[in-house]
Amino acid sequence: QVQLQESGPGLVKPSETLSLTCTVTNVSISGNYWTWMRQPPGKGLEWIGYIFYPGNTKYNPSLKSRVTISVDTSMNQFSLKLKSVTAADTAVYYCARRYYDVLTGYPFFDYWGQGSLVTVSS
Amino acid sequence: EIVLTQSPGTLSFSPGERATLSCRASQSVNSGYLAWYQHKPGQSPRLLIYGASTRATDIPDRFSGSGSGTVFTLTINRLEPEDFAVYFCQQYDISPPLYTFGQGTKVEIK
Repeated sequence: QVQLQESGPGLVKPSETLSLTCTVTNVSISGNYWTWMRQPPGKGLEWIGYIFYPGNTKYNPSLKSRVTISVDTSMNQFSLKLKSVTAADTAVYYCARRYYDVLTGYPFFDYWGQGSLVTVSS
Repeated sequence: EIVLTQSPGTLSFSPGERATLSCRASQSVNSGYLAWYQHKPGQSPRLLIYGASTRATDIPDRFSGSGSGTVFTLTINRLEPEDFAVYFCQQYDISPPLYTFGQGTKVEIK
């Protein structure tokens, strides 16, 4: 069974960089699309971006200037860095795999982590 | 950016009833790029439906999806106790690539 688990600090100070890691088990990081999303309190989910290893990243235009997603194949992990955070970045952050139907190509998120609450506060 | 609206925010049903949940898009959505998820507190979201109407692996056939254009529906026939949860829809824009989500509908026990 594929499993994803987010880890990282639960509290980040304003203007600093939020860093989270997603550890993936039972499937290789290589050859898959790996995604970060977040859900602020009382709001819907927001897609942050994805990485396809090797070589392809896409980010939400609203966050693009502050986001970096990267992969560590040796640890079978991928990471999120969001710089210059403010209180508006307080959210539950989820990692997920973006996959697709092999016949139709229809995309979906099939495996998710349980989420990691990150609070931005001094 | 396509905005997905799910209303009402909460629906109340008794076990055994049929639930019909709505997801409306601000612009036409390619049906192939519309998915539904179930989310319970403390758990990972669970993929139910993709391509607007295709059930994901191991999803019971009491769950069904339909719709096209700007109006999509998730139907849950004969609600089981484990079906009481939050359900949200999601769509994908190809260019530029962007995924957006509805705010979710909570299905609660009446």
